[in-house]
Amino acid sequence: EAAVTQSPRNKVTVTGGNVTLSCRQTNSHNYMYWYRQDTGHGLRLIHYSYGAGNLQIGDVPDGYKATRTTQEDFFLLLELASPSQTSLYFCASSDIGTSEVFFGKGTRLTVV
Amino acid sequence: AQSVTQPDARVTVSEGASLQLRCKYSYSGTPYLFWYVQYPRQGLQLLLKYYSGDPVVQGVNGFEAEFIKSNSSFHLRKASVHWSDSAVYFCAVSAHGNEKITFGAGTKLTIKP
Repeated sequence: EAAVTQSPRNKVTVTGGNVTLSCRQTNSHNYMYWYRQDTGHGLRLIHYSYGAGNLQIGDVPDGYKATRTTQEDFFLLLELASPSQTSLYFCASSDIGTSEVFFGKGTRLTVV
Repeated sequence: AQSVTQPDARVTVSEGASLQLRCKYSYSGTPYLFWYVQYPRQGLQLLLKYYSGDPVVQGVNGFEAEFIKSNSSFHLRKASVHWSDSAVYFCAVSAHGNEKITFGAGTKLTIKP
C-alpha cells in the first residue's frame, strides 16, 4: 500500500510566523496534493503537482506557497501565518491512470 | 467548475439497519466519482469509485453506490450497517481522475447500538 508521511503531525505558531509542512510519498506517484479540512467545508484543494518542479493552483491557494522538490517530496509554506489558516492539513498522492488518491494522516496547525 | 453537495451533515442509524448517504455533483462532462471514508484521527481511504460501465459499483465492506446521470447523483448505500461503520464519509468528483479532485463537506455517520 502507498505510504504518505506528513510532518510534523501537530504545529502551533504565532500570527505572522513562518511554517513549512512536509510530505513524502514512497511509491513514486506522479501527483501530489495539499488539502485543508475544516468543519462544514470538507477538504479543499490548496495546491497540487504533476511531478518534481511542477506546481498547479488549487481552489484555495491564497496565503500558501508550495514546492515539489523531488518525485517524493512536496512542501506547503505559510510565510505569514494567520489565524484563518488554523486547520487540519492533508497531503495526498496518486498515480496516473489509477485515480485512487492515498492520504497521509494529517497535520494539525494552530495559529495563535 | 465542478462541485459536490452532501446535503446531510450528520446521519444516525441503528446497527443492522440499511443506510443511504446522499451525494449530488455538478460537472458538465462525464465525471470520475468517488466515495472516501475517514475514521477518527486518520486520513481518507477510498471506498469505491466510478467512471464508466455498470452504474452500480461495489466497494469495500459491503458498500455500493449508484451513478444516476439524469439526477447528477452518486448515493452511497449499505444493506446492514455495523458499529464500525461510524466515520465521516466524503463524496468526491474529478474531471480527469487525478486532477483537482473536489470533495463534498462530508457526512458524519453515527451507528446506534
